[in-house]
Amino acid sequence: ETGVTQSPTHLIKTRGQQVTLRCSSQSGHNTVSWYQQALGQGPQFIFQYYREEENGRGNFPPRFSGLQFPNYSSELNVNALELDDSALYLCASSPPPGPSSYEQYFGPGTRLTVT
Amino acid sequence: SQQGEEDPQALSIQEGENATMNCSYKTSINNLQWYRQNSGRGLVHLILIRSNEREKHSGRLRVTLDTSKKSSSLLITASRAADTASYFCATDLYGNNRLAFGKGNQVVVIP
Repeated sequence: ETGVTQSPTHLIKTRGQQVTLRCSSQSGHNTVSWYQQALGQGPQFIFQYYREEENGRGNFPPRFSGLQFPNYSSELNVNALELDDSALYLCASSPPPGPSSYEQYFGPGTRLTVT
Repeated sequence: SQQGEEDPQALSIQEGENATMNCSYKTSINNLQWYRQNSGRGLVHLILIRSNEREKHSGRLRVTLDTSKKSSSLLITASRAADTASYFCATDLYGNNRLAFGKGNQVVVIP
């Protein structure tokens, strides 16, 4: 059983550009959540996908968008990058509803730097 | 908005000592979870306590929850150098895994 993986590990972009981050969820998990973690802060919830549909969104502008695919992997897209988008982006997957559904399994994150 | 709010602390303790950190939150919750993060990487789930529970143990971890005070504490007993990490509490308002994290406590365990 593989864990949650994310790619790329690190990324440097210029202000105004667009970026796509990828996440492969843990086997059997159909829910994926994305979080943004600025340096020295706790993660902030961006949005969640369940069975390919957006299932809740945090306080992030529409230029943050996502997708979930039939194999439950997911993408986070950010358009018109701003300097404040520099952060660690974390993906977390969780299993279908059941006794263990509250446990989220986090990937190692993608470190995005916007210059 | 952030729900979980730790007392943002940096704890430095000797190996073998206990480490305690606190977390407060603002609204009613379904459950509260604690996570560990090493060196700015992915988070590892440590323990979950439901709103109808007051105390929970897992190995060297002890979590308490006081819903009347909207606060929780995490105790790590007999700390080890490998416990050096940042610890975050996270609240789940509706039981749907949309977590609100606090700012974290950095714990350094000196061998």
